[in-house]
Amino acid sequence: ETAVFQTPNYHVTQVGNEVSFNCKQTLGHDTMYWYKQDSKKLLKIMFSYNNKQLIVNETVPRRFSPQSSDKAHLNLRIKSVEPEDSAVYLCASSLQGGQNTLYFGAGTRLSVL
Amino acid sequence: GDSVTQTEGPVTLSEGTSLTVNCSYETKQYPTLFWYVQYPGEGPQLLFKVPKANEKGSNRGFEATYNKEATSFHLQKASVQESDSAVYYCARRNTGNYKYVFGAGTRLKVIA
Repeated sequence: ETAVFQTPNYHVTQVGNEVSFNCKQTLGHDTMYWYKQDSKKLLKIMFSYNNKQLIVNETVPRRFSPQSSDKAHLNLRIKSVEPEDSAVYLCASSLQGGQNTLYFGAGTRLSVL
Repeated sequence: GDSVTQTEGPVTLSEGTSLTVNCSYETKQYPTLFWYVQYPGEGPQLLFKVPKANEKGSNRGFEATYNKEATSFHLQKASVQESDSAVYYCARRNTGNYKYVFGAGTRLKVIA
């Protein structure tokens, strides 16, 4: 079954390093999202792209930047990681329209030492 | 606003007992309401959704009714199993809006 694919599954790095996470969806959706999930399982929207245009940019630190080459791909770069960036980063996609379902990837767990 | 408020977890139940996870939403529009479930090591997945007020959604023995008057969408299951242990999210999405609003999640643990 087609789905939302994220790589890597898990990443360990040190403070100050740069990391990139990849996301691809094969569902033919036109909108993609990045969520941050903390240790208490709280889901926070970070970015949303519709047809390669940024449409939601919640207040996140500037070291985070989304990158989209086409509507099927949405990557996330963190320029200089900090300890509070340790979390699970979830990519998701959907079609426009209020009734449409949001489909999530399995997540990338980031640990910052 | 567009907020969603749900039962604070964790919730621990014995197998065979009934479950209710409360969910309330603010009324700005008439949104589509969702329940998502997240199992360990996976992303959240749709349990079911209800786009219209006063209708019921159900899946895998779980059900919830979109109650417009009470602005509620409580999740219920008559008899939980150990395999139901997961985190449950109530969510909303307004018509024409890209944004999904999630509740804080309710962690459920079912003991055999």
